[in-house]
Amino acid sequence: QKEVEQNSGPLSVPEGAIASLNCTYSDRGSQSFFWYRQYSGKSPELIMFIYSNGDKEDGRFTAQLNKASQYVSLLIRDSQPSDSATYLCAVNSLNFGNEKLTFGTGTRLTIIP
Amino acid sequence: DGGITQSPKYLFRKEGQNVTLSCEQNLNHDAMYWYRQDPGQGLRLIYYSQIVNDFQKGDIAEGYSVSREKKESFPLTVTSAQKNPTAFYLCASSIRDANEKLFFGSGTQLSVL
Repeated sequence: QKEVEQNSGPLSVPEGAIASLNCTYSDRGSQSFFWYRQYSGKSPELIMFIYSNGDKEDGRFTAQLNKASQYVSLLIRDSQPSDSATYLCAVNSLNFGNEKLTFGTGTRLTIIP
Repeated sequence: DGGITQSPKYLFRKEGQNVTLSCEQNLNHDAMYWYRQDPGQGLRLIYYSQIVNDFQKGDIAEGYSVSREKKESFPLTVTSAQKNPTAFYLCASSIRDANEKLFFGSGTQLSVL
C-alpha cells in the first residue's frame, strides 16, 4: 500500500463548478496535511494546510480532514482556468525520530472554459 | 529577496560521471530537503537535513550523496551509481521540520547524454 494515494486523473471540471480532489494516507500517526499546486515545469507552491479534523477554508479553497478515515480532500469553488494544474497531497510521518513529508503522485486538474 | 536558489537550471550528465546540483537558501531555515520528480509522478524524498553537519536518507537515497557544512547550503551529488538519473530535482527548505510549509527552489532538470 502506498503511503499517500491520489487519483492521478486527469480530472476535468467546467469553469465555475466545484473541483473535488481526494487523498488517503496510511500512517495513523500523521499530524500535518498539505496541498501543493504545481504548474507544468514549475516547482510546487503551498495552497492549503490542515492539522485538525474538520474543514478549513481560505478563499475559494476548502481543505477537509477526517483522521478516523485517514482521508483529506481539497475543494475548489468557482473553478477558474488558472486552477488547471497538478495538485499534490503531502502528509507528514515520523521516520526514526525525524519528521518526513511524503507526497502523493498528484491529480492533474483541467478546468474547461 | 529571500528564497531558495537552485543551479544550474539544466544539467547534462555523461555515463560514469558524477554531477553536483547546487541549492542555497537565505531564509535562515534549519531544514533542507532534496526531492526527485519523474514525469507524471509525485515527489520522492532523496535526502533531508534538519541541522548543520547532519542528514538522513529519504526513500530513494541510493546513488546520491549530500553534505550540509553550512546552514544555507545543501548540495546534492548524483553519482555514477545512479543508473537512471534523468529527472526534475527540487530542493526545498522549512523553518524547522516537515510539519511546516516547504519553500521550493525552481528546480534542476538533469538529463543523460
